[in-house]
Amino acid sequence: AQTVTQSQPEMSVQEAETVTLSCTYDTSENNYYLFWYKQPPSRQMILVIRQEAYKQQNATENRFSVNFQKAAKSFSLKISDSQLGDTAMYFCAFLRVDSKLVFGAGTILRVKS
Amino acid sequence: ETGVTQSPTHLIKTRGQQVTLRCSSQSGHNTVSWYQQALGQGPQFIFQYYREEENGRGNFPPRFSGLQFPNYSSELNVNALELDDSALYLCASSLDLAGGPGTDTQYFGPGTRLTVL
Repeated sequence: AQTVTQSQPEMSVQEAETVTLSCTYDTSENNYYLFWYKQPPSRQMILVIRQEAYKQQNATENRFSVNFQKAAKSFSLKISDSQLGDTAMYFCAFLRVDSKLVFGAGTILRVKS
Repeated sequence: ETGVTQSPTHLIKTRGQQVTLRCSSQSGHNTVSWYQQALGQGPQFIFQYYREEENGRGNFPPRFSGLQFPNYSSELNVNALELDDSALYLCASSLDLAGGPGTDTQYFGPGTRLTVL
């Protein structure tokens, strides 16, 4: 069974600085997709970034980028130039081949001014 | 293009009652997935509907059931409510291409907060 582990329950960062959130996963599949979702206090789950496992190039979306290490089954999220609006719960998720998402337990990120 | 919508926003029920939650998928999407998110935890997959048929189910009892309609909107029904059913229920829609092995990105609605007293 696929599992997703986020080992950092909480993190904080100063505004404008860079922070990295960790995620590891376990799967026997070779082709799969990984996601980072953000859930602010408003509770809407918002897609941050997506990575296809067959692509070696790390995905980037503006201030958000990932470090995808397939052999190590690691998928970390880097947020550059952190903003107050980045304060949220961040979930790492694995998309199974049957289209079901498996989520980690989440990391609470607090951006401080 | 409209996003995923859910109704109601909040709901309070008592133990033993039944509840129906609704979800309208994003325009052009044909697949709806439901997740239960307990406080402080990650979402857990309940089931998925693809073209009006159940397409997989998580570890939830039969009193959790669902429907998908021809316009791809969906309902989640929970019978005989228990206190542990209190949670945020999230609906996500995606465009599942026939034969595509899990390539669809899921977009979430704002959720329904269910409280069971």
